Amino acid sequence: DSGVTQTPKHLITATGQRVTLRCSPRSGDLSVYWYQQSLDQGLQFLIHYYNGEERAKGNILERFSAQQFPDLHSELNLSSLELGDSALYFCASSVGGPLLNSPLHFGNGTRLTVT
Amino acid sequence: EDKVVQSPLSLVVHEGDTVTLNCSYEVTNFRSLLWYKQEKKAPTFLFMLTSSGIEKKSGRLSSILDKKELFSILNITATQTGDSAVYLCAVDLRGGATNKLIFGTGTLLAVQP
Repeated sequence: DSGVTQTPKHLITATGQRVTLRCSPRSGDLSVYWYQQSLDQGLQFLIHYYNGEERAKGNILERFSAQQFPDLHSELNLSSLELGDSALYFCASSVGGPLLNSPLHFGNGTRLTVT
Repeated sequence: EDKVVQSPLSLVVHEGDTVTLNCSYEVTNFRSLLWYKQEKKAPTFLFMLTSSGIEKKSGRLSSILDKKELFSILNITATQTGDSAVYLCAVDLRGGATNKLIFGTGTLLAVQP
């Protein structure tokens, strides 16, 4: 168990809808990362938050947004869902900080199916 | 374009065999290379490598990095069925206050009894 908690485990929804994925990082970790994993692509970086502030954006669509709250949990919001958004969404956390030399630890993921 | 390539894509071995998984990379600003094991759920951290030629070892698993030739290998000796998983290699890039990981597509290892 990595200590990173993601809810829900599975989500099935229709096209055009909006969903929220939730992540609680490991105790003591200030950084939260979101990744998308689909069958035809590897893990793709979406966005990084450190201590409540956005640090970096990857290939994140404008329909997607995220935030990190004062208690350090994070939410990834996906709106106007399309079939192609079906994927496994992972949250990962790390200690973070200026050295950036701590590995990322991943949660079990949320499997999103858009029908 | 930064890229990480893993080989083979998949392999099937018998228990007790030794396997070597390869990861090569072409990136602009290398910080470190990481190996993860992914079974059905979360990728689980195995190793982080930053220096060439220094082997990291954990039980039957070991890994080494060659920053001159831009590759890393992951060795698993005396394989067990529990080693069956997808093994992911990722390179962390310097630049900005973030860990930007570029992942390979993974090597699927199946260990048969």
